[in-house]
Amino acid sequence: DGGITQSPKYLFRKEGQNVTLSCEQNLNHDAMYWYRQDPGQGLRLIYYSQIVNDFQKGDIAEGYSVSREKKESFPLTVTSAQKNPTAFYLCAIYRGSYGYTFGSGTRLTVV
Amino acid sequence: ILNVEQSPQSLHVQEGDSTNFTCSFPSSNFYALHWYRWETAKSPEALFVMTLNGDEKKKGRISATLNTKEGYSYLYIKGSQPEDSATYLCAPHTNAGKSTFGDGTTLTVKP
Repeated sequence: DGGITQSPKYLFRKEGQNVTLSCEQNLNHDAMYWYRQDPGQGLRLIYYSQIVNDFQKGDIAEGYSVSREKKESFPLTVTSAQKNPTAFYLCAIYRGSYGYTFGSGTRLTVV
Repeated sequence: ILNVEQSPQSLHVQEGDSTNFTCSFPSSNFYALHWYRWETAKSPEALFVMTLNGDEKKKGRISATLNTKEGYSYLYIKGSQPEDSATYLCAPHTNAGKSTFGDGTTLTVKP
């Protein structure tokens, strides 16, 4: 997946739990993004970071948190405040004229 | 949140048919328009990026056009093949450094 590693591939969360999705890249890109996909819908932006130690909310940031302490890592925490976390999560970098390069995704299910 | 609309939502064609999809988007703060192809069980992959009004891009049997003044892009597939079956996403990228994805057009090509 172009140097972007997401883990785990599948994740099950109990009600009230926080879980963290990992995203690591070795492409030395500054900008990293988290998107969420629900059935029948496109990708919706959760958070993005254009530089280390800085990040911005996307369109659906409520119930999520991120950190960007290292250039290569952009973990996403799904908190208990996220009311409907079951979805497919994609991490990406933006490569200008090449567009986004995505990781392989994490499928999160609430049990 | 940008309003990005793609039509039709889904399309079923016979092998050999030609087809086209539409993406409409707000033209303010426009930086680039990307088309992605998303096959089942894979990550989205970039097809085209277009930046200038009147841009046309072609890759094999697939081509795309861009009208930034009126805010739309067309994707054409000539002589559809079963391997073209996928969801096609468009995503305008703004000067703010983020993209908004449409919900996609899902193409099914029957042999």
